[in-house]
Amino acid sequence: GQNIDQPTEMTATEGAIVQINCTYQTSGFNGLFWYQQHAGEAPTFLSYNVLDGLEEKGRFSSFLSRSKGYSYLLLKELQMKDSASYLCAVLDSNYQLIWGAGTKLIIKP
Amino acid sequence: GAVVSQHPSRVICKSGTSVKIECRSLDFQATTMFWYRQFPKKSLMLMATSNEGSKATYEQGVEKDKFLINHASLTLSTLTVTSAHPEDSSFYICSASYGQTSISTDTQYFGPGTRLTVL
Repeated sequence: GQNIDQPTEMTATEGAIVQINCTYQTSGFNGLFWYQQHAGEAPTFLSYNVLDGLEEKGRFSSFLSRSKGYSYLLLKELQMKDSASYLCAVLDSNYQLIWGAGTKLIIKP
Repeated sequence: GAVVSQHPSRVICKSGTSVKIECRSLDFQATTMFWYRQFPKKSLMLMATSNEGSKATYEQGVEKDKFLINHASLTLSTLTVTSAHPEDSSFYICSASYGQTSISTDTQYFGPGTRLTVL
């Protein structure tokens, strides 16, 4: 079966760095998405990786290793507003999005 | 740019009635629109994919006759929940894409969501 694993919850301190991991087992791979979702709101797109390596976008970076079925989202200089759920999703060979359950990130002052 | 709106943002209805939710791409033409459902503390569940001018493609387990989707123009898709039941209470989210395929590698732009409560 197809599976996306990411930690349920993480806690970090304001100003620090946090890495949210995502491992996947899917039938084919056409890219991996990271979304941020604040409670009660629709998820917003953060990144899309299809090739191995690190992509940096401001305070957020996303890394992909296709051979390992692994990705991480790195958040730097954490702010209180970064408290949210972070969703990992993989586009499989049928171009269907397989979603992880999300990682709830709690930022403490 | 790339703004997607949904209307209404919240709706409360009685069991047995029908509710229509609109999804609009405000500043671009969305060839493909997606409808998701989100239960509390769970990830999004894709319900259906709609391409302008053609019938929607429903995911397995989603009742076509209950969740009617219409994508009449490149800027509007509607989801009608017919004969609503309390178990249909959920957060319904649409997204829109420029892409041509059923699910695209192009960025999906999400609407703000509609919270449906069925009494």
